[in-house]
Amino acid sequence: GQQLNQSPQSMFIQEGEDVSMNCTSSSIFNTWLWYKQDPGEGPVLLIALYKAGELTSNGRLTAQFGITRKDSFLNISASIPSDVGIYFCSGNTPLVFGKGTRLSVIA
Amino acid sequence: DAGVIQSPRHEVTEMGQEVTLRCKPISGHNSLFWYRQTMMRGLELLIYFNNNVPIDDSGMPEDRFSAKMPNASFSTLKIQPSEPRDSAVYFCASSPWTANTEAFFGQGTRLTVV
Repeated sequence: GQQLNQSPQSMFIQEGEDVSMNCTSSSIFNTWLWYKQDPGEGPVLLIALYKAGELTSNGRLTAQFGITRKDSFLNISASIPSDVGIYFCSGNTPLVFGKGTRLSVIA
Repeated sequence: DAGVIQSPRHEVTEMGQEVTLRCKPISGHNSLFWYRQTMMRGLELLIYFNNNVPIDDSGMPEDRFSAKMPNASFSTLKIQPSEPRDSAVYFCASSPWTANTEAFFGQGTRLTVV
């Protein structure tokens, strides 16, 4: 089946730093979605990408749909404590998910 | 809109007991998904429905698991008999349609089988 590899698995950063995480797939994806999960909650959609090469921003978040359609990245600029959580990449139909990147922000 | 509603939020049960998890999708959404989340395996798709019809149940781990969607506003995931290895967080999600679109998740049910 389709597999998604996310990296890094975890990150510890200082408040104010920029963050970059990425996701690669073993097959072509038609959509890339980035979700964030807070403790005790379900994943919440951050950014949706529908076209190869698409670059989309949502506040301090920026994500891109790779040209090969097999990868995507998510950047967070000027991190703040509430950015803490697990970030998942996902895509296609029905949605398959990577194992997540666990982000910790040190104030 | 209230979003996807799952119940119960927490369930503790003894091995061998039947467990039923419930989900109310967002009104007007045509697709409903059940996921299981564990540390080891991450978010796994168990089954999904389109217009109340099960489309793919290949992710259901064993015959002990079953899911139904009797109408557009309600779905259940049943485990009978439950085992300790079923302990996980179970999420229900819904989306407006099946193809290439985002899913909206409920808050999940944390199941502990002792």
